[in-house]
Amino acid sequence: EIVLTQSPGTLSLSPGERASLSCRASQSVSSSSLVWYQQKPGQAPRLLIYGTSSRATGIPDRFSGSGSGTDFSLSISRLEPEDFAVYYCQQYVNSGYTFGQGTKLEIK
Amino acid sequence: QVQLVQSGAEVKQPGASVKVSCKASGYTFTNYYIHWVRQAPGQGPEWMGIFYPSGGAMSYAQRFQGRVTMTRDTSTSTAYMELSSLKSEDSAVYYCAREPPDSLYFDYWGQGSLVTVSS
Repeated sequence: EIVLTQSPGTLSLSPGERASLSCRASQSVSSSSLVWYQQKPGQAPRLLIYGTSSRATGIPDRFSGSGSGTDFSLSISRLEPEDFAVYYCQQYVNSGYTFGQGTKLEIK
Repeated sequence: QVQLVQSGAEVKQPGASVKVSCKASGYTFTNYYIHWVRQAPGQGPEWMGIFYPSGGAMSYAQRFQGRVTMTRDTSTSTAYMELSSLKSEDSAVYYCAREPPDSLYFDYWGQGSLVTVSS
């Protein structure tokens, strides 16, 4: 099973700043299968990015994804108050999906 | 609009079974895959398996093999997930989620169903 390790565990930033979140896989992952979700308290995860870098419908262009192989990242260019949440990466390989443990983006 | 509406919270004793439903609307039920994902408090999501509503096939994560059963009722566009031999570690929020065929991502999620296993 591929393990996804997200860092940092918690990121404290102010609105307007840029956020960079990391997702590292224990072995190489297909770029087509790397996905990012946002989750707010008491809500289901929300699809942000799929196929490493494609934004889901309705996702603002301040969100961007990149990476390949074992190292992937999610960037938020100018943080808005509604962006403070937990972010998870997800991948698919060999008929199974795994998620990272999450990065909590909190207001500084 | 696309909606996945799940059944309500359940409290079960250890060793019992729980069956969670997921009613789909706003799209053709048989044209999309349904996944089940659970999330324990403070943890990341955990994938349980995939169900193909059109033909009724399924594939379960290895750690749930033998304990989980996924089914559907196409007449009501409802998917079901039953988990048996419950343990306290199964206490979690259980989600259904939709996948566009072969896309490898989940574009719509149910609101979640809290399952608490306690004696």
